[in-house]
Amino acid sequence: SQQGEEDPQALSIQEGENATMNCSYKTSINNLQWYRQNSGRGLVHLILIRSNEREKHSGRLRVTLDTSKKSSSLLITASRAADTASYFCATYGGSQGNLIFGKGTKLSVKP
Amino acid sequence: DAGITQSPRHKVTETGTPVTLRCHQTENHRYMYWYRQDPGHGLRLIHYSYGVKDTDKGEVSDGYSVSRSKTEDFLLTLESATSSQTSVYFCATTLSGNHNEQFFGPGTRLTVL
Repeated sequence: SQQGEEDPQALSIQEGENATMNCSYKTSINNLQWYRQNSGRGLVHLILIRSNEREKHSGRLRVTLDTSKKSSSLLITASRAADTASYFCATYGGSQGNLIFGKGTKLSVKP
Repeated sequence: DAGITQSPRHKVTETGTPVTLRCHQTENHRYMYWYRQDPGHGLRLIHYSYGVKDTDKGEVSDGYSVSRSKTEDFLLTLESATSSQTSVYFCATTLSGNHNEQFFGPGTRLTVL
């Protein structure tokens, strides 16, 4: 059963624009993670945000977490064609549970 | 890819045949995972291991078995492959727990005819 649901399913933007992807989840979490998957490759970890954190930055990435709304957003600023990929959120609920992945947002950045 | 390899990378087999996929890591990570990725379903956990000879079921374990006799190797076996097991299979590892970031292998594309 999917915990995280990304929105939108697909997003197409021009190089230089910002890209925002959202993730909603259903139950309480210990942490939330974002991953990137380039076509035909494995997933690559981008950032982890804990339930007691509200915002985190890594380079051009900014992740926010709102536990009251059970949602997170991933912002990629000044996007590049190389950012074209699928982006997944994954939630960890704690108590020896497993990481549960959403279905992903497919981002296309046009040069 | 953090020292994680999968073999084979591509395989075509027939319904009813046994298939074994191998995941090999050089990171000395304690936890290892097998996922399948299908359109419309995202990534789903099949089985995972939290140490040598210690394994547990994930969300979609029916029709699959695993073994881990060494820290570096995690095998996924389809005892009798079915067309519904056509998928892309990913292995992942993490250092010390399910809460940590996971490192993924390049994937194995399996087609069951």
